Amino acid sequence: EVQLLESGGGVVQPGGSLRLSCAASGFTFSNYAMGWVRQAPGKGLEWVSVISAYYDNTNYADSVKGRFTISRDSSKSTLFLQMNNLRAEDTAVYFCAKRDVSGWPRGYFDVWGQGTMVTVSS
Amino acid sequence: QSALTQPPSASGSPGQSVTISCTGTSSDVDDYKFVSWYQQHPGKAPKVIIYELNKRPSGVPDRFSGSRSDNRPSLTVSGLQAEDEADYYCSSYTDSNRFIIFGGGTRLTVL
Repeated sequence: EVQLLESGGGVVQPGGSLRLSCAASGFTFSNYAMGWVRQAPGKGLEWVSVISAYYDNTNYADSVKGRFTISRDSSKSTLFLQMNNLRAEDTAVYFCAKRDVSGWPRGYFDVWGQGTMVTVSS
Repeated sequence: QSALTQPPSASGSPGQSVTISCTGTSSDVDDYKFVSWYQQHPGKAPKVIIYELNKRPSGVPDRFSGSRSDNRPSLTVSGLQAEDEADYYCSSYTDSNRFIIFGGGTRLTVL
């Protein structure tokens, strides 16, 4: 069964850092682009970042560029999101999602995790 | 950052059909060939129901269909059922900066 399981969410003060992880199983992780999508409470989906299957090409939404870093460890089938200098507006459920192809932007997210909550508050 | 515009709400009675539109605000969305649609029930993860404008993943009922109308991508849900009540999001990308973009979402209510 194809599965994505996020972890690492929690409560952090403004200016703090968190590292999210997403453990993948049931497919060849190294062959597919992966991404993070977030959803603030009561709001819609917002794309955060994406990383290609090969060459580790990355891209970020303007709202997180320079503060967040996406990475992957194909030997462990795990995706990461390092979040620094967190702001209140980063409060959201963060979903890990698999692209249907090795790159982007074409394609779509065909598998999603259940999400992990990040709360930025003093 | 470019965005996709959707109506905030839509509704229909069981058995009826409802269509949700998605309009790009940027001219560099690639002719909508790669529009996808996601369904999200409250407290759940999104699920893809349409990709590449009009293709359905296996397991998605054929009551869900995607098309382009008046040069705007649209999602039609035919034969509405109670379980179709959910939020629906369109998604595409901007070719110039290779951003993935989502619409603001449409809450579908089955009356």
